[in-house]
Order: sequence, then structure tokens, then C-alpha cells
Amino acid sequence: DTGVSQNPRHKITKRGQNVTFRCDPISEHNRLYWYRQTLGQGPEFLTYFQNEAQLEKSRLLSDRFSAERPKGSFSTLEIQRTEQGDSAMYLCASSLGGTRGYTFGSGTRLTVV
Amino acid sequence: SQQGEEDPQALSIQEGENATMNCSYKTSINNLQWYRQNSGRGLVHLILIRSNEREKHSGRLRVTLDTSKKSSSLLITASRAADTASYFCATDASGGSYIPTFGRGTSLIVHP
Repeated sequence: DTGVSQNPRHKITKRGQNVTFRCDPISEHNRLYWYRQTLGQGPEFLTYFQNEAQLEKSRLLSDRFSAERPKGSFSTLEIQRTEQGDSAMYLCASSLGGTRGYTFGSGTRLTVV
Repeated sequence: SQQGEEDPQALSIQEGENATMNCSYKTSINNLQWYRQNSGRGLVHLILIRSNEREKHSGRLRVTLDTSKKSSSLLITASRAADTASYFCATDASGGSYIPTFGRGTSLIVHP
């Protein structure tokens, strides 16, 4: 297992289309996080899973965003009816908790045109 | 929500010099972490310091934590051009939220 894998690396979509991103965490990590990052800013928390349970979701997250983690393994993040403001890097991270820190994937860069 | 804030926003130094970045946060924490991000890539975990620790070293990195001032510093000694990146601090708030909250980062440029 070489780390957290995110697919696709890049996605260009037209405004109004739906997009789905996938994250495969490190296999033994029970915690999985989605973040969004725009240019010049730090990662902004979107949502958090412990195993298959979605324990927290940012209040800033529009209802156009939904995330799942079936069976507590990989996770998907879907954005419906994309808007230009959704253009950003979407980062996934996983963790075992404790003092081990968080391992991030390389991200999916979304461009909405 | 709690957020770490890094200072300075940008730092430009010559290879071989030391680079110091600071992070301030607002409420009690379980731990504080530093990450590096190269342009357009994901974040790489550098070091984690727990709230009951005051200093930690890893290679050329030295992190300090002052919980009374709610601040941390990251020192990179003998910098190299390859250290050019953005550096972020992230805090895990006490109370068990387990959600790291990031600041806006410090952009470090090391000139060869």
C-alpha cells in the first residue's frame, strides 16, 4: 500500500454537470477526510468519516455536495450541478488517529468552465 | 472553527540560511502538526507535537510549542532549494473532534 490514492487527478467539467471523485485511503486507516483548497489558501474541511459513518460535515458545505464511504474503505465525493466557484483542489486524507498525523493524497483538481 | 494562522505569509531566503515560520491558534489543542505542500500537490506530514511537549526535532526541522501563548514555530536549518514549498500548521482541538484545521500557510522560497 503506497499511500492515499485519488482519482481522477484532473477534471474539467461544464457548469451544471455532476462530478464524482474517488479516494482510496491507506487500508488500515479508519478515518477519512475530504478537504477543498483554493489557490493561496489552506485546506478547508468538508467532511469526515470514521469507518463507514460520516461523523461530521462542514456547515459551509452546500447540499450539492455529498460523500459516501461504503464498507469503510474507499470514499466518493459527488458535486451536483457544479458551479464555477466549485473550481478547486479536492484533497483526501486518512489517519489511524493518535499521534501519527494524516496522510494526504495528491488531490483532484476540478475546473468548472 | 479553530484555525491556525501562519506568519509570515511569504519568506524568501538564500540556500544555507535558516527559515523560521510561526503559527498561532485560538483554543486548546491536543496536538499541532506541520505540513509541506509543493506547488499543485498534496500535503506531506512533517512533524506532530503534542500539547504536553515543548520541542521536537526531525532531521533539519525543529518545532516548538508554547501553549500559554497558543503558538508554535517551525525552524528549517541549513535550507536547500528543494525546501521551496508552502508550509501549513494544523491543529487538532482538544475535546476529541479529530479534525485538523489548517491556516493559510507560509510560502517559502529558497534561492540556490
